[in-house]
Amino acid sequence: TQLLEQSPQFLSIQEGENLTVYCNSSSVFSSLQWYRQEPGEGPVLLVTVVTGGEVKKLKRLTFQFGDARKDSSLHITAAQPGDTGLYLCAGAYSGAGSYQLTFGKGTKLSVIP
Amino acid sequence: GAVVSQHPSRVICKSGTSVKIECRSLDFQATTMFWYRQFPKQSLMLMATSNEGSKATYEQGVEKDKFLINHASLTLSTLTVTSAHPEDSSFYICSAQKLGTRAYNEQFFGPGTRLTVL
Repeated sequence: TQLLEQSPQFLSIQEGENLTVYCNSSSVFSSLQWYRQEPGEGPVLLVTVVTGGEVKKLKRLTFQFGDARKDSSLHITAAQPGDTGLYLCAGAYSGAGSYQLTFGKGTKLSVIP
Repeated sequence: GAVVSQHPSRVICKSGTSVKIECRSLDFQATTMFWYRQFPKQSLMLMATSNEGSKATYEQGVEKDKFLINHASLTLSTLTVTSAHPEDSSFYICSAQKLGTRAYNEQFFGPGTRLTVL
């Protein structure tokens, strides 16, 4: 069973601050995705990382995949109230004839104006 | 694009009735669709994996006779909650993987269906 530990579970910060969310596992994943989910909606894909050590940037968001492909981080610079939401990491592994995702428990981010 | 729709977005039903939820990939063909369940303030839990034209694969602890999944085409999968009970009340979300894409395992999610069983 693949498990993904995501931390912190809750994060409340002031507008303009920086933050980092971590996603760790003892398993190697073929890829890892980060999603953002608003209340009452489905998750929206932010980024996919595939290669160990890979770094991807999406405006003020920086995503990193660990060298061993077991961990990942999401760093937000100068957080804005619009960044508020539930951030989910999900590792992909082969199963049931297709690739399935194991989700972390999520990080609920609140950015206070 | 990769748009996935779900219908209905919200449903309230009486205990003992059955409810069908549709998941459609609107602008792509999906080899595989997934059904998840999400309880308040929790993450997504995979219920089953559905491949077009074949039987769904259910996760451990998910009753296949209670949660019937049909994936009749490359753009449509349905989940039927049979003989629903209040404990089945939850947020059900489907996702789809694109046909012919590289194995990045990306899934595109629908907006979810809020089921309330009275």
